[in-house]
Formats: sequence, structure tokens, C-alpha cells
Amino acid sequence: GAGVSQSPRYKVAKRGQDVALRCDPISGHVSLFWYQQALGQGPEFLTYFQNEAQLDKSGLPSDRFFAERPEGSVSTLKIQRTQQEDSAVYLCASSPLLQESSYEQYFGPGTRLTVT
Amino acid sequence: GQNIDQPTEMTATEGAIVQINCTYQTSGFNGLFWYQQHAGEAPTFLSYNVLDGLEEKGRFSSFLSRSKGYSYLLLKELQMKDSASYLCAVTVRRANNLFFGTGTRLTVIP
Repeated sequence: GAGVSQSPRYKVAKRGQDVALRCDPISGHVSLFWYQQALGQGPEFLTYFQNEAQLDKSGLPSDRFFAERPEGSVSTLKIQRTQQEDSAVYLCASSPLLQESSYEQYFGPGTRLTVT
Repeated sequence: GQNIDQPTEMTATEGAIVQINCTYQTSGFNGLFWYQQHAGEAPTFLSYNVLDGLEEKGRFSSFLSRSKGYSYLLLKELQMKDSASYLCAVTVRRANNLFFGTGTRLTVIP
């Protein structure tokens, strides 16, 4: 079956522009995560959804970052007034189980955001 | 916070065995994952350890010692396609997300 997909794969934004990154999780997966991966680093957690509820947004670096999953499937990560330090790969992951941290997460290919 | 440490880079020869270490200091440790990530691609699941001991899966094995805060990933019969970054990640109680180390970039040479 289809894996996690993300769009666009590449995004170039001028400093100050708003961007929206989309994630299509595996069908039926309850949990959805967003991570930010800087060059040469491991992914860092941004936010977590269980169905449509955003249960943890402790990793969002500033109030310019906003995420939603209104119908419990597709999710959008929005970054307002982008800054150069926002340049990174944004990874989405989904998992089938509720609040089960032992279950593996399935990652999408990521969106590489470059802010110029 | 969580502190996860692994070497930045390693090089090994095709056909050989390589061990990638990961040490962690966390509160409320639950389990440890290893993921493989080729450049520009999604991380893919390799292994999960929650109990002490060795888990073997084909050419890849993963070991965990909860008392020492230590894990390793063992890759046998290395192939060129094993050149990738290997990410150690932990989960903790009361959080659903993964906490990743910086990753170890493995280069396999002929």
C-alpha cells in the first residue's frame, strides 16, 4: 500500500513569506508527527496529533509555526514570516496505534525548505 | 531533556562487520529504535529494543543495556548499499514522539 507522502518535496521561500507543507499519512493511522531535520542532524520533534486532536506542540520553535489535522487524516504545517533559520527538511511520520510509544513510526520523504 | 550520543561518522569495508554505538541519558526511558536514512530519503525502521539483550534480524542486530544506557547496532557482511546515516532514537513514558541522536553517517568502501 501507499506510504506517507509529503508535498511539495522542495520549497524555496523568500524571507518573510508564509509556507504550507502537506502530509498525507498512511490510511487509518491514528497518530501523526511532524519533525524538523537540520542538515547533518537527527530529526527534532515539533508536534503530535492523535486523530484531529493536537495533543503535544511542545516542540514548535515559535508562534510562527502552526499545524492542523482537521479531519484526522491529512495534516498541514504552516510557517508564517519564514526566517533563514527555518531552512531544514520537515518530516512527517504516522503510526497506527493510540499512545503506544513502542510502535514504529513510518516516515515520509520530507519537504526540504530553503529560505533565502 | 533527553541526551542521546552517537559517533558522527564511521567508515568500514565491504564484507566486514561494523558496530555503531549509542548512549543515552533520559528520564522515563521506554524503548530504543534504530532507523536507517539514505541521503534525501525518509528514515526507515530497522529495529526496536525494550528489554535488555540482543535482537537479530538478518544482517542487522541491535543490543540494549538499560542499566548502562547503552545500545549498539551491528551490521554484518556490509554491502555498498549500507552507506547511509543510522539514527538512534528513544521513547520515554508520557511522550509519544521519538527523541533522536544526531545520526552516524556510515560510508562503506570497496
